[in-house]
Amino acid sequence: KQEVTQIPAALSVPEGENLVLNCSFTDSAIYNLQWFRQDPGKGLTSLLLIQSSQREQTSGRLNASLDKSSGRSTLYIAASQPGDSATYLCAVDPQGGSEKLVFGKGTKLTVNP
Amino acid sequence: DAGVIQSPRHEVTEMGQEVTLRCKPISGHNSLFWYRQTMMRGLELLIYFNNNVPIDDSGMPEDRFSAKMPNASFSTLKIQPSEPRDSAVYFCASSTGQGGQYFGPGTRLTVT
Repeated sequence: KQEVTQIPAALSVPEGENLVLNCSFTDSAIYNLQWFRQDPGKGLTSLLLIQSSQREQTSGRLNASLDKSSGRSTLYIAASQPGDSATYLCAVDPQGGSEKLVFGKGTKLTVNP
Repeated sequence: DAGVIQSPRHEVTEMGQEVTLRCKPISGHNSLFWYRQTMMRGLELLIYFNNNVPIDDSGMPEDRFSAKMPNASFSTLKIQPSEPRDSAVYFCASSTGQGGQYFGPGTRLTVT
């Protein structure tokens, strides 16, 4: 059974810092991996989708990498801002086309001005 | 596009009452997902539909939960009878099937 772990559960950094959020999964046979952002009381916003054949994806100040063989993904946030404060979740699609995403419990990020 | 629309946004009900949550997926998306989020268990997939047909309902906790998708633009998740342990945020998401799910704002359900 696929399990997704995100460490740390919470992270607090000063504004301007570059930071890395970690995601690990137990079964390397994944179809894709997706990073989401969730603001308090809101739904999930998709940030980046990495297909299993890809190594990384970039969007603005965000860069996500994927190492299937080691069961790891990282989300790199450059020059963090207070507006980046949110919970970040990663999710894997363990079966091609099924889209039955398995989610980690998230990392709650606080960027202090 | 308006995105995935869910209603109501908040629902407070008494134990034993029937609860119906509603979802309108993004137009053109052919897959629809219902999730439940709690502090203890995180996000869990309850059921998903493809082309209006239920594909996998293995995440539905028990017979008190049922979901329907009568057409491509509407789905419901019903709980009857509701119990306090059903209190959670329920999300609906949709996708084109090519990867990437888009979530609605969620319905916060409180059962007293």
